[in-house]
Parts: sequence; structure tokens; C-alpha cells
Amino acid sequence: EAGVTQFPSHSVIEKGQTVTLRCDPISGHDNLYWYRRVMGKEIKFLLHFVKESKQDESGMPNNRFLAERTGGTYSTLKVQPAELEDSGVYFCASSLDRVGNLFYGYTFGSGTRLTVV
Amino acid sequence: AQSVTQPDIHITVSEGASLELRCNYSYGATPYLFWYVQSPGQGLQLLLKYFSGDTLVQGIKGFEAEFKRSQSSFNLRKPSVHWSDAAEYFCAVGPNRDDKIIFGKGTRLHILP
Repeated sequence: EAGVTQFPSHSVIEKGQTVTLRCDPISGHDNLYWYRRVMGKEIKFLLHFVKESKQDESGMPNNRFLAERTGGTYSTLKVQPAELEDSGVYFCASSLDRVGNLFYGYTFGSGTRLTVV
Repeated sequence: AQSVTQPDIHITVSEGASLELRCNYSYGATPYLFWYVQSPGQGLQLLLKYFSGDTLVQGIKGFEAEFKRSQSSFNLRKPSVHWSDAAEYFCAVGPNRDDKIIFGKGTRLHILP
């Protein structure tokens, strides 16, 4: 099966510009997650979709970040306007629904490295 | 609150030597535990995971990890490292009820020829 696909793999933009990251989860995975790693810091949760609904967006840093998952398939993460501190690697992951209490784990994409200059 | 501690930011070992990367966690229930690796320019790859059962878990690339509940640890080991193992390694715990995984800060592994 195809894995989680993210693009672009790299993006360099100027401060104040807009960037949109895309994630295509594994087909059939209702759960989609965005994580971010800012330079030198740990990987941190941004948000979680179940199908097209935002289950948890507690990790979104501010209102410059907007995530969507129209139709419950692929997701986009838009940063507008971008700031220097937004630089980092943005990871997407997907997973199956739990069955009972059993969690199947995530599959991560290869990430998008965002550099804001 | 759940947390993961990887006490070593950098580790350097010689090629062919054994390796142990430390991971301690704080979690209120029986945890799911993971080790991920990120090679230069690559994404996060799952090395191994522990959900239940045998506390010694075998993963890909010759790695293994042992869950020790009494020590709240899940250390990663490899008997003989290869130059291609140079990467950053992340221990993670979860999920909590909303399926959120908590990561450690990572340990960067350097291999001497």
C-alpha cells in the first residue's frame, strides 16, 4: 500500500508570505495528524482530524495556521503570514480507528522542511 | 502529565560497537511505546513498538528495545552499529485517550569509522 505522502518536501519562503503544505494519508485511514519539529526542539503535536472533523487542535500555535481536510481525504496546512519562528519540519501521520482499546499506531510521512527567511 | 525523557542529546560510538539509547517515560496507564528514527533528509521511520506481551521487542535494522515497567524505561539497543545508523532517534509514548503521541527531544547518533 502507498504510505503517507507529503509535499512539497522542502519550501523556502520569505517572511510574510503564505505557504500551503499537503498531506495524503494512507487510503482508509480516518485519523490524520499534523506534528511539527522546530529546530532543536521536540516533535510536537499540532492537530488531529477524524475524517473531515477536527478532533483536537490544541497544538496549533496561533491563528496564522489553518488546517483543512475537505472530504476526509487529503489535508492541507496553511501558514499565513509566515514568520521566522515557523521554520521547521512539518510531519503528517495517519492511523486506523481503534478497535476497542487497541491502537494501531501511526504511519508518518517524510515531512516538509519549511524555511522562512 | 505524560512525558518522555531522552537524557542523551548526542552519542558517539565506533562502527561495530554496541549501542544503547536511553528513554524514560512518565505515563498514567500502561503505555504504548515507540522508537522512531530520522535519517538526514528523511522522514520519521518506525523502528519498533511495544503494546503488550513480551517486554523485549525486536525491530527493523537489527534494533531491539526492552520495556521495564519498574524503571519506566524503554531503552533501544543494537549489538553492532553500522555507519548507516547515524541518525536522530526519537522515543515516544502514547497514545492518551485522544491518540496523541508524546515525543522525546531525540538523541543524535554519530558513528566513528
